[in-house]
Amino acid sequence: DGGITQSPKYLFRKEGQNVTLSCEQNLNHDAMYWYRQDPGQGLRLIYYSQIVNDFQKGDIAEGYSVSREKKESFPLTVTSAQKNPTAFYLCASSPERGARNEQFFGPGTRLTVL
Amino acid sequence: GQQLNQSPQSMFIQEGEDVSMNCTSSSIFNTWLWYKQDPGEGPVLLIALYKAGELTSNGRLTAQFGITRKDSFLNISASIPSDVGIYFCAGPPREDSGNTPLVFGKGTRLSVIA
Repeated sequence: DGGITQSPKYLFRKEGQNVTLSCEQNLNHDAMYWYRQDPGQGLRLIYYSQIVNDFQKGDIAEGYSVSREKKESFPLTVTSAQKNPTAFYLCASSPERGARNEQFFGPGTRLTVL
Repeated sequence: GQQLNQSPQSMFIQEGEDVSMNCTSSSIFNTWLWYKQDPGEGPVLLIALYKAGELTSNGRLTAQFGITRKDSFLNISASIPSDVGIYFCAGPPREDSGNTPLVFGKGTRLSVIA
């Protein structure tokens, strides 16, 4: 059963702590993305990766870091430098370069920093 | 950069009514994608449009790719309570060379009154 998984669904952390959000896909997609969504707002791009061992900053990369060591995994670390980390985080993936541009999303992780 | 403007921002309708929403841009898009996001979940792709003038249906949903390539419409017929959610339009930027992040509208929030 192919898809994108994000874990955990809900995550609580104390202010000042780094936290890593998991994103795994078994769709054999080349590209993966991280978005942030605040209440009542649209999607804002944090980082994306078009190929293993390569990634680019999105519109709001400050305070976040990523890695892409494996094709199927794209973890996002929310660092203590992120001033307002409480949000809903969405991971997405899309097929190989040159294919249609459809992106597919995971179920999201809701991060609350206390 | 390119932007997508969605309207209306929100709408409240009675169950059974038809719904119409649109997405416009000042620049040309070659693909239009429509997503629906249920509360607390990731967006799900509803309809993808690849050709100007194309009209595509998915159950009670119908979407059209505008002839000018600068707009798209999504219609929902005979709305039901489970239609509640946020509807996003999206498309690849003109400089897309494959797997470039999509441009997203800010969404239309639909509420259905039973």
